Amino acid sequence: GNSVTQMQGQVTLSEEEFLFINCTYSTTGYPTLFWYVQYPGEGPQLLLKVTTANNKGSSRGFEATYDKGTTSFHLQKASVQESDSAVYYCVLGGPNYNVLYFGSGTKLTVEP
Amino acid sequence: GGIITQTPKFLIGQEGQKLTLKCQQNFNHDTMYWYRQDSGKGLRLIYYSITENDLQKGDLSEGYDASREKKSSFSLTVTSAQKNEMAVFLCASSPDRASDYTFGSGTRLLVI
Repeated sequence: GNSVTQMQGQVTLSEEEFLFINCTYSTTGYPTLFWYVQYPGEGPQLLLKVTTANNKGSSRGFEATYDKGTTSFHLQKASVQESDSAVYYCVLGGPNYNVLYFGSGTKLTVEP
Repeated sequence: GGIITQTPKFLIGQEGQKLTLKCQQNFNHDTMYWYRQDSGKGLRLIYYSITENDLQKGDLSEGYDASREKKSSFSLTVTSAQKNEMAVFLCASSPDRASDYTFGSGTRLLVI
């Protein structure tokens, strides 16, 4: 079946530290991969997406690289800010899928 | 721009009660979704609908009914609320299955 694994349930950093959130996926095809971000009291919103046509996506200082060999799609940011505190979801989907498949989420807390 | 509105924002029910959650979108999107969000478990799909009067079951459909009588609205019914149940129900829409979703801000359910 289709699944997404995020092993880090929580990450705590100080401002200006480097962020790395691990994500691996399992599927039979070549999906589009997304990162969604959810702030308290809101629904998730799209942060970035990467298709099979392009291997890397970026938005608001966040980057993610699509690695078909290791089936990974890790999220990185060079220098986090307190305003980046949120829950981040790695998501699998695309034209050959009826729905999006969400990972369990990683809660990022950035301390001033 | 468009918006997805979920009502009510908070819902307190009693064990065994039938509860209905509503979702409206003005994007003119074809596809709508209901997800359940539990702490530490990410988002799990309950039902989705690709057009008016269409219903498709997700992995978590047992214990729920859904209705898509108009393109702009999608309702979800908890057929028999379970005591101590606490979750957030998120509605989303997309123009087609290949596109990313726009989410509402959620309905928070508590069953006493």
